[in-house]
Amino acid sequence: QKEVEQNSGPLSVPEGAIASLNCTYSDRGSQSFFWYRQYSGKSPELIMSIYSNGDKEDGRFTAQLNKASQYVSLLIRDSQPSDSATYLCAVLDISGNTGGFKTIFGAGTRLFVKA
Amino acid sequence: GAVVSQHPSRVICKSGTSVKIECRSLDFQATTMFWYRQFPKQSLMLMATSNEGSKATYEQGVEKDKFLINHASLTLSTLTVTSAHPEDSSFYICKLAGGRIDTQYFGPGTRLTVL
Repeated sequence: QKEVEQNSGPLSVPEGAIASLNCTYSDRGSQSFFWYRQYSGKSPELIMSIYSNGDKEDGRFTAQLNKASQYVSLLIRDSQPSDSATYLCAVLDISGNTGGFKTIFGAGTRLFVKA
Repeated sequence: GAVVSQHPSRVICKSGTSVKIECRSLDFQATTMFWYRQFPKQSLMLMATSNEGSKATYEQGVEKDKFLINHASLTLSTLTVTSAHPEDSSFYICKLAGGRIDTQYFGPGTRLTVL
């Protein structure tokens, strides 16, 4: 059973601080990783994807990948109250002989940014 | 990104009735569609994967006779919850995918409440 693990939180940070969200995954062969943000009552929205070891920056967001440690993280700089949401880590699972794929989601980390 | 709609956005029904949920893409042709279910404070659980014109592939533990999926075209998929019971109350979300793993779009979700 392939798994994606996240600390459920809640993680509480003050406005303007850096929020650090972490994720580990079980399948060493995984190659594609995603971070989604989900507001309460809404569907997830993709905020970052990362495929190579190292850092990938997009605005206030930085995704970090370490395949050797099977670890993915998301940093949010200058956190804003509007960043308060649940952040889902996801790993692409390419399985079977048909080349089909599916995404395995972690349980999510709830982030609260205090004004 | 693609514009994806789900209808209805919210539905309340009596136990024993069937409910059909539509997932429609307005500007994207999806070769694969995924249906997820999310219970409160839990992560997304994949229910089934379908390719246009083919039968859906259901995840372990998901009853295919209870959750009927029809991937009628590249822009439309339906999920029918047959003989719904209160334990089927959940947030149902579709996700559309194209040929590339990074072209995946969630629908806005349907909140089902079974009384």
